[in-house]
Order: sequence, then structure tokens, then C-alpha cells
Amino acid sequence: KAGVTQTPRYLIKTRGQQVTLSCSPISGHRSVSWYQQTPGQGLQFLFEYFSETQRNKGNFPGRFSGRQFSNSRSEMNVSTLELGDSALYLCASSPQASAGTGELFFGEGSRLTVL
Amino acid sequence: SQQGEEDPQALSIQEGENATMNCSYKTSINNLQWYRQNSGRGLVHLILIRSNEREKHSGRLRVTLDTSKKSSSLLITASRAADTASYFCATRETGANNLFFGTGTRLTVIP
Repeated sequence: KAGVTQTPRYLIKTRGQQVTLSCSPISGHRSVSWYQQTPGQGLQFLFEYFSETQRNKGNFPGRFSGRQFSNSRSEMNVSTLELGDSALYLCASSPQASAGTGELFFGEGSRLTVL
Repeated sequence: SQQGEEDPQALSIQEGENATMNCSYKTSINNLQWYRQNSGRGLVHLILIRSNEREKHSGRLRVTLDTSKKSSSLLITASRAADTASYFCATRETGANNLFFGTGTRLTVIP
């Protein structure tokens, strides 16, 4: 069974641009969560989706948005990029309806650098 | 902050020694999980302990949970160089759907 796939793995953007990151969960998993990881703040929860519905959102500005498609694939978008958005963005899927009930399966992440 | 905190932030030991990492959290939880992350990679789930459990084992891993102190510990016995990684605790708070991660412990095992 294929694991969680995140694309792109690495990308470089400049301030003011926008970026879209993609996550394909493990087949059969309907819950997808996104996290931002930085050296200073650690792993910060962004959003959680289940069956195309955003069920939870972390404490991030409105520039951060996401969605989930009917095939459970998810995308997140960051508009008007700032230097502080440079981070490793991690996607995780779960077979449970509630992402925190059991283990999360993580992708390798998308490393975003904002110049 | 809803994050837990791991202690110590960094730990360096010799191969064969045991490594103990601690996690403290702030609210009531349904479960607590431990994850491992190799440098710049995704996280890998190690073990889950529910709020009504006090101890759990998996191979060389032993996890304890003290809900009265809102703390957990992860013990890795007979460490190997391949155990070098960052270790994170994550909590599912009561009534919440998602996991909140701690700040992590960076473990270095010296061959």
C-alpha cells in the first residue's frame, strides 16, 4: 500500500507569491491533517479535513487555506507569502473519522523556502 | 499554547545505554502518542497510550502515562545509532479531533 504522498517536495518562492501544496493520503483514509514545522515553533496544527469538510483549524491567518476533494486528496494554499512561512509542511492521513483517535501516517513533507 | 513540552530538549548517549524522554501537557486527554522524526523527514508513529492505561511496551520502547501529573515518559532501552532522531509526544485532548504535538527531544546515540 502506497504511503502518504506530498508534492512538491521542495519549492522556493518569493514574498508576495502564493503556493499550493498537495497531499494524497493512503488509500482508504478519509481524514487528512496538515501541520507546519519550523525550528522556532515546532509542529503547529493547520487544519483537519474529513469527507471534504474542514473540521478543525489551527491558529493561522486567513492566508492559509485548504480543501479536500471527493477522493480524499487534499491541498493547502498559502497566499501573499511572508518570510516566516518558510517551513516544512507535513500532511498526515488517518483511517479513523477523528484524526486524533489513532495513529497518523505522515508524508515526507513539502519544504517551502520564501525569499 | 496547546502544545506539550518534552524534556530534555536534547540528549546525547552512548550506544547500548537507555534513553528517557519526558512529556508534559496541560489539559485532559483521550490518548497520548509518541512519534519519531529523522532529520527533515516525515514523522513515524511509535506507540499510543490511552488515558486509562498507565504503561505500554513495544519492542525496546516503554511508555508510561501519569494523568494526575499530566506527564508521560518514553524509554528506549539498549539504544542504537539508528535511534538517532527527534522524538515528539502528541496529545489528543478530550473533545478534540486532532493531535497537538510537543516541542520534541533531539536524541543522539553515539556509536
